[in-house]
Amino acid sequence: DAGVIQSPRHEVTEMGQEVTLRCKPISGHNSLFWYRQTMMRGLELLIYFNNNVPIDDSGMPEDRFSAKMPNASFSTLKIQPSEPRDSAVYFCASTGTGNTEAFFGQGTRLTVV
Amino acid sequence: GQSLEQPSEVTAVEGAIVQINCTYQTSGFYGLSWYQQHDGGAPTFLSYNGLDGLEETGRFSSFLSRSDSYGYLLLQELQMKDSASYFCAVRGGPYGGATNKLIFGTGTLLAVQP
Repeated sequence: DAGVIQSPRHEVTEMGQEVTLRCKPISGHNSLFWYRQTMMRGLELLIYFNNNVPIDDSGMPEDRFSAKMPNASFSTLKIQPSEPRDSAVYFCASTGTGNTEAFFGQGTRLTVV
Repeated sequence: GQSLEQPSEVTAVEGAIVQINCTYQTSGFYGLSWYQQHDGGAPTFLSYNGLDGLEETGRFSSFLSRSDSYGYLLLQELQMKDSASYFCAVRGGPYGGATNKLIFGTGTLLAVQP
């Protein structure tokens, strides 16, 4: 398996623009997590899904953030409109049923100018 | 809610042993894990403790005491390539084990010196 795949790897956008981050979990994994990492806040859990259903989105910072998982092999995290303070590395991770190990994608480095 | 505390930085020399502690608070507990992250990279899994005691994987060992809400990662025979950030993580919450959130600590930056 190719592991968790995220795209794009880097994104530079202007304030106010819409940004969509994409994630393909490992095939057969049923839990998917979105994290944001910054120096100040560390690794923050934004939202996670189990069997494509959002279980907890309490970490989503504002209504500008939304996430979907239309099927078991694809998830998106959208920011609309984007702001400079959204600049961070966004990671997607997946785990299998009863699996204690989370596998991370390589992350998307987002810069909002 | 859930929170995890770790030291922010640790420095050690090659060949030495270092211990990174983690204390946690969680409503519902389904295991303590450890992850390594090199600068610019993604976190990678190191070890997991679901029950009390010590788990050993090569040069790395991890310990858990559920009664103390405490665990540690022990790194032996330190090498320069071990310089990285180390995170403890708790899977916990009100739901069944597989559906609970995975929360990470603030991370410990380990610097290994020659």
